Formats: sequence, C-alpha cells, structure tokens
Amino acid sequence: SQQGEEDPQALSIQEGENATMNCSYKTSINNLQWYRQNSGRGLVHLILIRSNEREKHSGRLRVTLDTSKKSSSLLITASRAADTASYFCATSLNSGYALNFGKGTSLLVTP
Amino acid sequence: EPEVTQTPSHQVTQMGQEVILRCVPISNHLYFYWYRQILGQKVEFLVSFYNNEISEKSEIFDDQFSVERPDGSNFTLKIRSTKLEDSAMYFCASTEESGRVNTQYFGPGTRLTVL
Repeated sequence: SQQGEEDPQALSIQEGENATMNCSYKTSINNLQWYRQNSGRGLVHLILIRSNEREKHSGRLRVTLDTSKKSSSLLITASRAADTASYFCATSLNSGYALNFGKGTSLLVTP
Repeated sequence: EPEVTQTPSHQVTQMGQEVILRCVPISNHLYFYWYRQILGQKVEFLVSFYNNEISEKSEIFDDQFSVERPDGSNFTLKIRSTKLEDSAMYFCASTEESGRVNTQYFGPGTRLTVL
C-alpha cells in the first residue's frame, strides 16, 4: 500500500505558534496533497506537491517533500484558532488515480 | 469559484434498502471519484470514473455498488442493498484531466446512516 501516515496523531498549540505535521508513505508517488477537514465536514484541498519538487509555499503553509525518505511535512506558521481541524496527506500514483489518505493529524489551536 | 456539490447532505435508510447518492462535479472536469469515511477513520477510495466507464475501483467497491453518469452533469453512487457497515460519509470528487498532475476537488459529503 502507498498509504500516507501522519504524525503526530494529535497536536495542541497556542495561537501564533507554528504547527508541523509529518507524513510518511511506502511506495513511489507522482504527487502528494494535503487536505484539511473541519469536524464532520468535507475535505478542503490545501496544497499539492509533485514528486520532482522539494518545497512549496502557499500563504502561511509550507510543504516539503523528501522522496528519498518517502516523507512530507506541512508547516502552518502563525497559527490561528480557525486552523483547528484535521489534516490529511494523500498520495497518488498519477493524476486520475485514487488518492490514498493517511489517518490524519488532529490540530487544536487555542486562543 | 466552481465547486463540487452533493445531495442529500444526510440520508437515513433501513438496512436492505437501495440508496442513490448524487454529485454534480465541476463542469469542465473529466475524472470523477467516490470516497467514503467511516466515523473516526480515514478516507477510503471507492471508485474512479472516466469517459463513461470505471477506470479504477477498490476492494470495497463490490457488486452492491454501482456508479453512473446519467446526464452531462450528475454523477451517482448507488448502493443496492445497504448494510449497517455502509454507514459513513460519502465524498464525491472530480479532477480536471489526466496526463498531468491535478488536484482532486471534494464535495461536502453525504452522511449515510443505515438503521
């Protein structure tokens, strides 16, 4: 299985702090995507990084990808209470193929 | 901004009944997907659909499941005879095209409760 697995399972920080979540996977991938899910809601796409990319930024988000270690990290800088959600990494063999999701990291940002 | 929509938001059914979950993918997208998420668990892939046929399916997608694109806009998931373990959130997703890397955009989900 090429499933992504995130760690930590749960993370609690205060507003203004940075949050780092990690994802590991098992097989070669074409791309890796990070999604956010608020409790009981749908999945919101955050950022996609291709297998030939090492780092990508989008606003307060920074994603890194290390294909040699089969791992990725998501950094949220200057966190806000509204960032409270579950974060999932999802890997894909190729565009048009299934996304394989990890179990997610539950992030709690307290004011 | 275009988005994937799903109806109904919540469906309650009796075990053994048939249900149809509906999705309207983003209009210029060509690949469509169904995923499910059992409460407290991770999101699982069910099936992908392209050019009016199934392109990939998981072990979960057995004979009780079927998908259809009955017209130019809707994409449906039918569960023929629901079981208690089919209770889950069902997400539809779509992506623009194959051949290059594209984001999968998810709908808000349908919560299916089988009693």
